[in-house]
Amino acid sequence: DQQVKQNSPSLSVQEGRISILNCDYTNSMFDYFLWYKKYPAEGPTFLISISSIKDKNEDGRFTVFLNKSAKHLSLHIVPSQPGDSAVYFCAAKRGGGADGLTFGKGTHLIIQP
Amino acid sequence: GAVVSQHPSWVICKSGTSVKIECRSLDFQATTMFWYRQFPKQSLMLMATSNEGSKATYEQGVEKDKFLINHASLTLSTLTVTSAHPEDSSFYICSASGGFETQYFGPGTRLLVL
Repeated sequence: DQQVKQNSPSLSVQEGRISILNCDYTNSMFDYFLWYKKYPAEGPTFLISISSIKDKNEDGRFTVFLNKSAKHLSLHIVPSQPGDSAVYFCAAKRGGGADGLTFGKGTHLIIQP
Repeated sequence: GAVVSQHPSWVICKSGTSVKIECRSLDFQATTMFWYRQFPKQSLMLMATSNEGSKATYEQGVEKDKFLINHASLTLSTLTVTSAHPEDSSFYICSASGGFETQYFGPGTRLLVL
């Protein structure tokens, strides 16, 4: 069973507009969430994270929102730029540092000029 | 900061041979390193977790005798795929954590077993 779900395999957004990528999880033990950006044949690049004690974290153009009761998080990118085109993975873990990450299947974001 | 390297970036080998992949944290000490595998159009799947100086912890379904992991220092972990077969062909990625929540990933190693 998939504990982290990204239900949109792809998303197309016009340059300059807001990109919203969604992620749902089922394991209530998860309390730390991360977003990674990945290009083909490369390792994931860390973007932003959020702890379950927060509901929002912002870093430049990237904002992650967490709704614990709904077990849902989203990544907002504004404004979207052509270089944002990539596959975005949502990942979750239990707190404490030593656990591996559980990844979603990814969403391919395409920024159109 | 938080740079992780992986070597080699790709390898082609014959069935039955063993392949070693190195993962290094270049600018921080990694108390824990992780090994993941990604099949085409699939997500990254955790294979094992290794802590410096101790035995690795393997995820369910991952054969520890086939995927040997050594974490000899705080900056180096190695994954050896023993007696590789075509079904082991995949993209292997390591990550490193310095004790904080965030994991930083290497660039990955593409393994093709003929």
